[in-house]
Amino acid sequence: ETGVTQTPRHLVMGMTNKKSLKCEQHLGHNAMYWYKQSAKKPLELMFVYSLEERVENNSVPSRFSPECPNSSHLFLHLHTLQPEDSALYLCASSQGPRGLNYGYTFGSGTRLTVV
Amino acid sequence: AQKITQTQPGMFVQEKEAVTLDCTYDTSDQSYGLFWYKQPSSGEMIFLIYQGSYDEQNATEGRYSLNFQKARKSANLVISASQLGDSAMYFCAMREFSGGYNKLIFGAGTRLAVHP
Repeated sequence: ETGVTQTPRHLVMGMTNKKSLKCEQHLGHNAMYWYKQSAKKPLELMFVYSLEERVENNSVPSRFSPECPNSSHLFLHLHTLQPEDSALYLCASSQGPRGLNYGYTFGSGTRLTVV
Repeated sequence: AQKITQTQPGMFVQEKEAVTLDCTYDTSDQSYGLFWYKQPSSGEMIFLIYQGSYDEQNATEGRYSLNFQKARKSANLVISASQLGDSAMYFCAMREFSGGYNKLIFGAGTRLAVHP
């Protein structure tokens, strides 16, 4: 148990489907992140939420829509995805944007396949 | 812009031997943090070790140590007494503080295979 839980672990969806990825942390952290890990590419930061407010969107296509209803939960809503969006999506949390940060805690990821 | 470079796509080591995984970074910041993460085939990113830019001593955590050479901008991970369970991807990352918050920038990773 890492303290950051992601569901589902695996997801296969068609290009016309709508699905959501869920991330939950019980560490008392107040910053949460979505990363995308594609084959043979470094991890890419997608979204950053600090105190439930989105502070960065790294030019992610609008077919990815994040939601952070509170400091413990983070969602990534998916719609009309493309096959190249198939990847491992990792959620992470940290103690906060301004404090000392000795590492992020990551979830186990959701492996997404778009068919 | 900050950059993390891991030049070794793959490494292998015999069980019980030590191995060094290379990482160089590029930053103009005076205050920064360097991290190493392990990612087994399950996908989870496991935090291993942290080195702050102002830390005078190299960080150590059990069998992991970080060889920090600030002038050369390198932060190599040393794993002593390798075990079969060490086989995984290893990522070097740098903390970037901008816009009032922290974020981690990752290198491309090194795949380590430990042979019996």
